[in-house]
Amino acid sequence: GAVVSQHPSWVICKSGTSVKIECRSLDFQATTMFWYRQFPKQSLMLMATSNEGSKATYEQGVEKDKFLINHASLTLSTLTVTSAHPEDSSFYICSASGIYSTDTQYFGPGTRLTVL
Amino acid sequence: GENVEQHPSTLSVQEGDSAVIKCTYSDSASNYFPWYKQELGKGPQLIIDIRSNVGEKKDQRIAVTLNKTAKHFSLHITETQPEDSAVYFCAASTEGDDKIIFGKGTRLHILP
Repeated sequence: GAVVSQHPSWVICKSGTSVKIECRSLDFQATTMFWYRQFPKQSLMLMATSNEGSKATYEQGVEKDKFLINHASLTLSTLTVTSAHPEDSSFYICSASGIYSTDTQYFGPGTRLTVL
Repeated sequence: GENVEQHPSTLSVQEGDSAVIKCTYSDSASNYFPWYKQELGKGPQLIIDIRSNVGEKKDQRIAVTLNKTAKHFSLHITETQPEDSAVYFCAASTEGDDKIIFGKGTRLHILP
């Protein structure tokens, strides 16, 4: 149980384009979803927290107009990187926590974004 | 806010031996401590967790201990195997707060 999927697993795009990453909880209802960014050989950096039907809460220093988050249902959250630039290249990982264990986060497999 | 320190950053252990990773936290209100294993190119996988009302928890070759007074917790892996090679992250969170705070990670190498 507690499976989280992400799509796509990797994406390459041109500078200036937008990229959407989907995060789905497959076998539980996710009241809260989280988006992280991870640079090589570093820990996870929380970008934002989203609750179903509410606006996302962004961490300090994360541009909300650049990283658009939508949490439209209890099983789906999307992260859109708008007008991507090479410095946005990174490993993006989502996680989800459910109704019955609100502090336990289950992570997706991650999405490798490369901006040319 | 909470701060989680993790040591060592790199650990090499002979196959079959035990590995211990230690973490300390700063916020005495923290009450949930998960451990994640991350393999190269993959997302973190929850391997064990412990809550503040328990001092020790074991799951097969993996165990976690918690000392609330000293504000530190440790991961113990016994009879290590090659597939245990990965990066391990400790984390801490406080009841009522959605976020979990991660340590910087320990890269574990199991030597043949």
